[in-house]
Amino acid sequence: GAVVSQHPSRVICKSGTSVKIECRSLDFQATTMFWYRQFPKKSLMLMATSNEGSKATYEQGVEKDKFLINHASLTLSTLTVTSAHPEDSSFYICSAMEGGMADTQYFGPGTRLTVL
Amino acid sequence: LAKTTQPISMDSYEGQEVNITCSHNNIATNDYITWYQQFPSQGPRFIIQGYKTKVTNEVASLFIPADRKSSTLSLPRVSLSDTAVYYCLVGDGTGGFKTIFGAGTRLFVKA
Repeated sequence: GAVVSQHPSRVICKSGTSVKIECRSLDFQATTMFWYRQFPKKSLMLMATSNEGSKATYEQGVEKDKFLINHASLTLSTLTVTSAHPEDSSFYICSAMEGGMADTQYFGPGTRLTVL
Repeated sequence: LAKTTQPISMDSYEGQEVNITCSHNNIATNDYITWYQQFPSQGPRFIIQGYKTKVTNEVASLFIPADRKSSTLSLPRVSLSDTAVYYCLVGDGTGGFKTIFGAGTRLFVKA
């Protein structure tokens, strides 16, 4: 149980285009989902927290107009990188949490984004 | 938010027991302690979670002293495939829960 999927697993796009990444909780309902980015040999950096049906909460320094997050249902959250640039190239990871005390985050496999 | 501190790296040999300690001096009353394992280009994988004393599952044990200001992940008889980065996180999972990843511990298991 507690499986989280991400799609696509890797994407290469041209500078200026937008890319959408999907995160799905496959066998549980996720009241809260998180989006992280990770640069090579670095730790995960939290970008935003999203709760189903409400606006995402972005971490300081993360542009909400550039990284659009939509948590449309209890099993799906999407991250759209708008007008991507080479510096947005990174490993993007989502996680999902069911809700309640002491809940564990279950992470997706990640999406490798390369912007040319 | 409780900040965590772990050793940057550790080396071990196959078959040995590995103990990784994490400091979290300002852990809050409601905070649980969770450990994750991450391989390159993969998302973190849940290993174990605890609140106090000792927790054991099929892959690891977690030791938490009474003051809860630290915790130790114990991996029995490591193998080459346990080479990975290990993160400890603290948080309570209630509304407003947020996870801040520390640098993690890079474990390298040698033959």
